[in-house]
Amino acid sequence: NAGVTQTPKFRILKIGQSMTLQCAQDMNHNYMYWYRQDPGMGLKLIYYSVGAGITDKGEVPNGYNVSRSTTEDFPLRLELAAPSQTSVYFCATTGEQGLTYEQYFGPGTRLTVT
Amino acid sequence: AQSVSQHNHHVILSEAASLELGCNYSYGGTVNLFWYVQYPGQHLQLLLKYFSGDPLVKGIKGFEAEFIKSKFSFNLRKPSVQWSDTAEYFCAVGGASGTYKYIFGTGTRLKVLA
Repeated sequence: NAGVTQTPKFRILKIGQSMTLQCAQDMNHNYMYWYRQDPGMGLKLIYYSVGAGITDKGEVPNGYNVSRSTTEDFPLRLELAAPSQTSVYFCATTGEQGLTYEQYFGPGTRLTVT
Repeated sequence: AQSVSQHNHHVILSEAASLELGCNYSYGGTVNLFWYVQYPGQHLQLLLKYFSGDPLVKGIKGFEAEFIKSKFSFNLRKPSVQWSDTAEYFCAVGGASGTYKYIFGTGTRLKVLA
């Protein structure tokens, strides 16, 4: 099993460009999340999904959009990239294993907007 | 709203020293508590978790944490650190009361000197 995969690993965008960060999982987990990690700020939740067709905003959703058409995929869309979106983005999933609710993280995408 | 505080932002220790990283959370109900570790250049991995039962939980690599409900704390400990423990450590709370959102602390960067 690959677990949680993310593409691309690195990307440089110019201000105003758009892109989609891909996240896929093969664990059949219903719950998927997008976080951004900034130095000294920990992880901030951007969007999450509790199943195909269902998404909701997290703490910092402005400037981003998501969709969840399948259980496996949860892409994150940046429509008009801004320097404030320079960050490392992590996708994560949670499966119901008893009551443990632990999260499984992907390797991350490092995005720079210049 | 739930929140997580990690008071130590940077910790430097020599090998064989003992480690204790503080974590306090604010939430009045039942919580699941986690410590994640992020080694340089890698994604977050679960170190240990608490959801019920014995408040002293043991994780991988000799780490342990104690849940003290009256103090809303979940401090991470290790009796003797190694150079390979150099990493960033995140406390998180979540998965409580049927929700699947997680709140992360801002992280503690640990450097172990050989």
